[in-house]
Amino acid sequence: QKEVEQNSGPLSVPEGAIASLNCTYSDRGSQSFFWYRQYSGKSPELIMFIYSNGDKEDGRFTAQLNKASQYVSLLIRDSQPSDSATYLCAVNADSTLTFGKGTMLLVSP
Amino acid sequence: DAGVIQSPRHEVTEMGQEVTLRCKPISGHNSLFWYRQTMMRGLELLIYFNNNVPIDDSGMPEDRFSAKMPNASFSTLKIQPSEPRDSAVYFCASSLAEAPQPQHFGDGTRLSIL
Repeated sequence: QKEVEQNSGPLSVPEGAIASLNCTYSDRGSQSFFWYRQYSGKSPELIMFIYSNGDKEDGRFTAQLNKASQYVSLLIRDSQPSDSATYLCAVNADSTLTFGKGTMLLVSP
Repeated sequence: DAGVIQSPRHEVTEMGQEVTLRCKPISGHNSLFWYRQTMMRGLELLIYFNNNVPIDDSGMPEDRFSAKMPNASFSTLKIQPSEPRDSAVYFCASSLAEAPQPQHFGDGTRLSIL
């Protein structure tokens, strides 16, 4: 059974700090990795995706992938209170996504 | 561009009633997914379609749940009869079938079964 594990949090960081969100997955055949942000009462919103080992940067967000360790992370630089949300990691091995239960991030002013 | 459109946004009904949730995917997307989200279980895939054909319905919890996609721009998820444990937020998402296949979600339907 495919599993995606995330620490539920909450992860609390002060405004301006770097937030680091982590995710591990069980299926070594996984090919693509996604990070979604979900505000309370809203739908998941795609932030970025990565499918090659290494780092991928998009503005204040950096996704990091290590397939050997089956580990993917999301770094948020210069965290803002508006970044406070639940972050979902999703892993794709065929045509579907398996989601983790998410990590709640709280950014305090 | 219009995103994934779901209706209704909220549904409150009594146990035993039939519930129909609707979804219009993003134009040009050929894969459609139905998810259920609860606090306990997180986001669970119920069923997905590719080119209007159901590919995997192993996540559908019981025979009370059924889904159809009569054309590329419309899908329904039906629960009959509904039970209180079906209360959850139901999301529809769509994507292109080609990798890396990011999925785009609708606003969801918050379903409460009394």
